[in-house]
Amino acid sequence: IQVTQSPSTLSASVGDRVTITCRASQSISPYLAWYQQKPGKPPKLLIYKTSTLESGVPSRFSGSGSGTEFTLIINGLQPEDFATYYCQQYNSYSWTFGQGTKVEIK
Amino acid sequence: EVQLVESGGGLVQPGGSLRLSCVASGFRFSSYWMTWVRQAPGKGLEWVANIKIDGSEKYYGDSVKGRFTIGRDNAKNSLYLQLDSLTAEDTAVYYCATNRYYAFAMWGQGTKVTVSS
Repeated sequence: IQVTQSPSTLSASVGDRVTITCRASQSISPYLAWYQQKPGKPPKLLIYKTSTLESGVPSRFSGSGSGTEFTLIINGLQPEDFATYYCQQYNSYSWTFGQGTKVEIK
Repeated sequence: EVQLVESGGGLVQPGGSLRLSCVASGFRFSSYWMTWVRQAPGKGLEWVANIKIDGSEKYYGDSVKGRFTIGRDNAKNSLYLQLDSLTAEDTAVYYCATNRYYAFAMWGQGTKVTVSS
């Protein structure tokens, strides 16, 4: 299963609402996760099972979707949110990451 | 403190081998599926391998199948990755992570593997 994440780069300002999309080549399970990664650091899990917020993650992050299209929304972008975001899908004992979306300061 | 610490990375020649280790502390290691994920320089994340709680099931990404072997020792709270027949395309930072609800919840800081002559 191929996973396509878009956009690859996104320029936004503090306070903006940001939407990142992950599309699968075929319908996938609800086990879709989102990660945030900052330079030189390991990824951080934000959301799992499409929409469940990981403990300690701010509520401005939310996830939704089903079938072949999933989205990550950041409501009210904060300075610490400028980073690269990855989606990750699971299907039949195979895990695949999207290519990543870099959220830059406009 | 909950922690995963990888080690064993380094410089290796093409065709060579390396064994990575990941030591867990602060949580019940034996209750988690475990995962290796890698990231080539300037590139995205790539899932490498997963192993079941008791080591009875192992799964690999297509690019490493037949060359890499994942293992664990629950008595030592340790996860391993044996890397054989290495090529330049295996150059990456290798992370270990816990697997929960088919997502990777807790990550180590990574160990760097460079394959070059």
